[in-house]
Amino acid sequence: GAVVSQHPSWVICKSGTSVKIECRSLDFQATTMFWYRQFPKQSLMLMATSNEGSKATYEQGVEKDKFLINHASLTLSTLTVTSAHPEDSSFYICSASKRFARGYSNQPQHFGDGTRLSIL
Amino acid sequence: DAKTTQPPSMDCAEGRAANLPCNHSTISGNEYVYWYRQIHSQGPQYIIHGLKNNETNEMASLIITEDRKSSTLILPHATLRDTAVYYCIVRVAGTGNQFYFGTGTSLTVIP
Repeated sequence: GAVVSQHPSWVICKSGTSVKIECRSLDFQATTMFWYRQFPKQSLMLMATSNEGSKATYEQGVEKDKFLINHASLTLSTLTVTSAHPEDSSFYICSASKRFARGYSNQPQHFGDGTRLSIL
Repeated sequence: DAKTTQPPSMDCAEGRAANLPCNHSTISGNEYVYWYRQIHSQGPQYIIHGLKNNETNEMASLIITEDRKSSTLILPHATLRDTAVYYCIVRVAGTGNQFYFGTGTSLTVIP
């Protein structure tokens, strides 16, 4: 159980286009999902926290107008990289934790397999 | 969240136990210790987590010192497929609480 799926797994597109990445929790509900970015040979950097039915919370230095996050249901969050440029090329990873009624849990986050984005 | 310190790299012979240390000297009483690993070009894989007691599952054992300022992840019989970057993270329990990744330990299992 606790499977998180990302789509697409990789995408190549021209500079200036917008790219949408989907993150789905396949066998559980997730009130909160998280988006990370990872550059080559570096660690994961948290970009934003996606909350179902409300606005996402962005980490310092992450442009919210550049990286649009929508979390319309308990099983789906999307990240849209708007007007992508070569410097946005990276490995984008999402994660989710199982929803518990009381909202308090030490359960781990489960990660998708990531989306490799290349902007030409 | 507390900061963690891990050695940047380690080697381990195949079939031997791999012991990966993590220092979290500023951990607070309500923060859990989580371990993940990341194989190249994949998302992180959950391994194990604990608060203060030692934990064991089918993948690994987690040993947390009594003062909780450090922990060790033990892979009892390392295989080549265990070659990965291992991350130790401390976090307050709560589904809305973020994970902040450090630099991790790159473990290479040698045949």
